[in-house]
Amino acid sequence: DTEVTQTPKHLVMGMTNKKSLKCEQHMGHRAMYWYKQKAKKPPELMFVYSYEKLSINESVPSRFSPECPNSSLLNLHLHALQPEDSALYLCASSQAGGNYGYTFGSGTRLTVV
Amino acid sequence: KNEVEQSPQNLTAQEGEFITINCSYSVGISALHWLQQHPGGGIVSLFMLSSGKKKHGRLIATINIQEKHSSLHITASHPRDSAVYICAVGVAGGGADGLTFGKGTHLIIQP
Repeated sequence: DTEVTQTPKHLVMGMTNKKSLKCEQHMGHRAMYWYKQKAKKPPELMFVYSYEKLSINESVPSRFSPECPNSSLLNLHLHALQPEDSALYLCASSQAGGNYGYTFGSGTRLTVV
Repeated sequence: KNEVEQSPQNLTAQEGEFITINCSYSVGISALHWLQQHPGGGIVSLFMLSSGKKKHGRLIATINIQEKHSSLHITASHPRDSAVYICAVGVAGGGADGLTFGKGTHLIIQP
């Protein structure tokens, strides 16, 4: 298995809802990432997990809460989002360390209404 | 923080043309990545480079570490090559630090 699987592919949620995005990989990668991408912009790093521990939080608002229950699974819990949080949320994985390739998921397109 | 500059931002070419996309960065890196993104979102990794040159099919990527510059070439371009091509770099020193992305080059190949 050489894929990163993200679910759901599309999500519409209200500002008072709680929802979760899921990311899964079975390549044995020990680093997993969440990126946010607005239309016509490059992805922006949100969180990095290395060996199931949160290693980087790029000053992301607390309404986004990451979780890494095991080495294959990464979640992003969403609560009280704003319309400006609407974006494509991309998950990626790599071997831990700086000289390894990345595998990206196809993303979850989130719309906050 | 590394600054990653790509050029051109937009490129329209005719089928069969030789395409070059350039990327420059400001500080030392662990590796440089060329990525492809089609409309609808998913990103595909094309190359990871830390030195020299790599080739895969009609795609060639080169990097000059001293000049902090990389190029992506597409030979015999085809309409299916139409996509956004993104240059991204990992920080020097190792560790899983994520990537810093360029703004991307929107490539359209016309039949």
